Amino acid sequence: AQSVTQLGSHVSVSEGALVLLRCNYSSSVPPYLFWYVQYPNQGLQLLLKYTSAATLVKGINGFEAEFKKSETSFHLTKPSAHMSDAAEYFCAVTSTGNQFYFGTGTSLTVIP
Amino acid sequence: NAGVTQTPKFQVLKTGQSMTLQCAQDMNHEYMSWYRQDPGMGLRLIHYSVGAGITDQGEVPNGYNVSRSTTEDFPLRLLSAAPSQTSVYFCASSFRSESLHFGNGTRLTVT
Repeated sequence: AQSVTQLGSHVSVSEGALVLLRCNYSSSVPPYLFWYVQYPNQGLQLLLKYTSAATLVKGINGFEAEFKKSETSFHLTKPSAHMSDAAEYFCAVTSTGNQFYFGTGTSLTVIP
Repeated sequence: NAGVTQTPKFQVLKTGQSMTLQCAQDMNHEYMSWYRQDPGMGLRLIHYSVGAGITDQGEVPNGYNVSRSTTEDFPLRLLSAAPSQTSVYFCASSFRSESLHFGNGTRLTVT
């Protein structure tokens, strides 16, 4: 069985500050890991994905995530938050490509 | 590129009514799926399909039916709507283990 845990349902950061959104996964086989972003009243958009190549993955809009097998983590970071980063972020895992399991999401607020 | 198209965008049903949520993709993706999104619960998989004629259940399949007669279309049927099915529904498609492409969702209210 696979699952994803996102610590912190709400995260607030000041504009220009570091963004850190946490994701831990459980999987009995090497996983594919993803981060998605959802803006209000929209579908989910892919930020980045890990597919067993480099452990540090760079995505769109300045986001990146590091796969740490020993910690079963795939935390999302951005060095400097922008007002436009305010959204909901979801971590997801799949090992087969048939079933994707999502975390419960983290709502990011950026304070001007 | 149209991507994944869902219709309708909004729907209000009365308890016991039936309806079909439509999903179509134009990317020739083998894999299609339906999720429901509820506050504090993330996205939960309802049903998925790995190709025409093949469907399987996800985490929360009860009360929903699907079929996949073509590669492009994957409709979700609610046979007898219940208030517990009030949710936002997303259709998504992908090619093998590549990332999911999502539609813009259908907001369903069951009274």
